[in-house]
Amino acid sequence: GESVGLHLPTLSVQEGDNSIINCAYSNSASDYFIWYKQESGKGPQFIIDIRSNMDKRQGQRVTVLLNKTVKHLSLQIAATQPGDSAVYFCAEISGGGADGLTFGKGTHLIIQP
Amino acid sequence: DADVTQTPRNRITKTGKRIMLECSQTKGHDRMYWYRQDPGLGLRLIYYSFDVKDINKGEISDGYSVSRQAQAKFSLSLESAIPNQTALYFCATRQGAGNEQFFGPGTRLTVL
Repeated sequence: GESVGLHLPTLSVQEGDNSIINCAYSNSASDYFIWYKQESGKGPQFIIDIRSNMDKRQGQRVTVLLNKTVKHLSLQIAATQPGDSAVYFCAEISGGGADGLTFGKGTHLIIQP
Repeated sequence: DADVTQTPRNRITKTGKRIMLECSQTKGHDRMYWYRQDPGLGLRLIYYSFDVKDINKGEISDGYSVSRQAQAKFSLSLESAIPNQTALYFCATRQGAGNEQFFGPGTRLTVL
């Protein structure tokens, strides 16, 4: 079936560097793509979303890029901080999202001091 | 206070037992969801509800049932728990057609 997946299970970066987390998807009918952050022992937390007819969206210290040609999504985190350590999931919504989110498997971002 | 709460936070039970996980929200959202998370996997949808009178199966509903007792409460039941239902369970809420879902802290369930 349709799926959303990630290229790397773990990403280690130095504090202060920029982080790029990648995601591949297969559902061309997705309406929105969303990035969630899950810290240890907590539920996922919404970071940013992007509509499928856009190719870039910026938030506070984060940028999401969408390449529909190759069905690729990325989350860029600027000036990574220790508090950014978490598992990051990409998710997609299609058909208005009535049936919930379809999540990828997650990338564990580790911040090195 | 947390907007979405789940009880219990941790539960250990035995095969064959009936278990109920509860979710409450103070956000006033109409839509509620139950997800399951297994190690190395993303969250998968079990059931969702648009309002008290509307219940829908998700991707992995077999072995589970739900009850939407009120707009603010959505409970998940395992009628006869089995070991492969050991997982983290998350409740989430959403308002209308908005994209953001708000997740509870999760319930860690272990079935022996």
